[in-house]
Amino acid sequence: EAQVTQNPRYLITVTGKKLTVTCSQNMNHEYMSWYRQDPGLGLRQIYYSMNVEVTDKGDVPEGYKVSRKEKRNFPLILESPSPNQTSLYFCASTGGTINSPLHFGNGTRLTVT
Amino acid sequence: GEDVEQSLFLSVREGDSSVINCTYTDSSSTYLYWYKQEPGAGLQLLTYIFSNMDMKQDQRLTVLLNKKDKHLSLRIADTQTGDSAIYFCAESFSGNTGKLIFGQGTTLQVKP
Repeated sequence: EAQVTQNPRYLITVTGKKLTVTCSQNMNHEYMSWYRQDPGLGLRQIYYSMNVEVTDKGDVPEGYKVSRKEKRNFPLILESPSPNQTSLYFCASTGGTINSPLHFGNGTRLTVT
Repeated sequence: GEDVEQSLFLSVREGDSSVINCTYTDSSSTYLYWYKQEPGAGLQLLTYIFSNMDMKQDQRLTVLLNKKDKHLSLRIADTQTGDSAIYFCAESFSGNTGKLIFGQGTTLQVKP
């Protein structure tokens, strides 16, 4: 089954403790991205990657890092999480053609205390 | 800049039609999308329309695009309780494949 898998689904951590949210897709998609969803703001893109070893900032990249060492994986790294990064995070992938829709993971709800 | 606006809440009775509206500011968008988010789940693509089309119908869903007014709507006929969810409109641009600009989402409540 074609899917985007994120882990964990829920994460509670404390300020400053480094964490990684994993994302994997099995559709051989070149394009992957991370979004955060906040009430009243919709989804905002954090980082994206158009292929292996190619990453770029989205609209809200501060406080986040990503890597794309393999095509299928695109982890999101918070080196020093802060409470304002408490949010619902989604990973997404697409084949990259103009009419190829984004496939979303089921989300990771992160709480930073 | 790019901006997509939606009303935050809509309540309808089961069996009625629902119309969810969306406005956007950037006329260079190539595709406009409607996504559905059920509680605890990711976003599911419902339908999309190319920016040079006026209308697209897919079973109970009708998408209308008024490019002059930069207005997009999603009509759900015969709304069911299973349609209760958050609906997001989004636009994409040819220069950045895969990036979508999302609206804030409209929560649709369907009363029995």
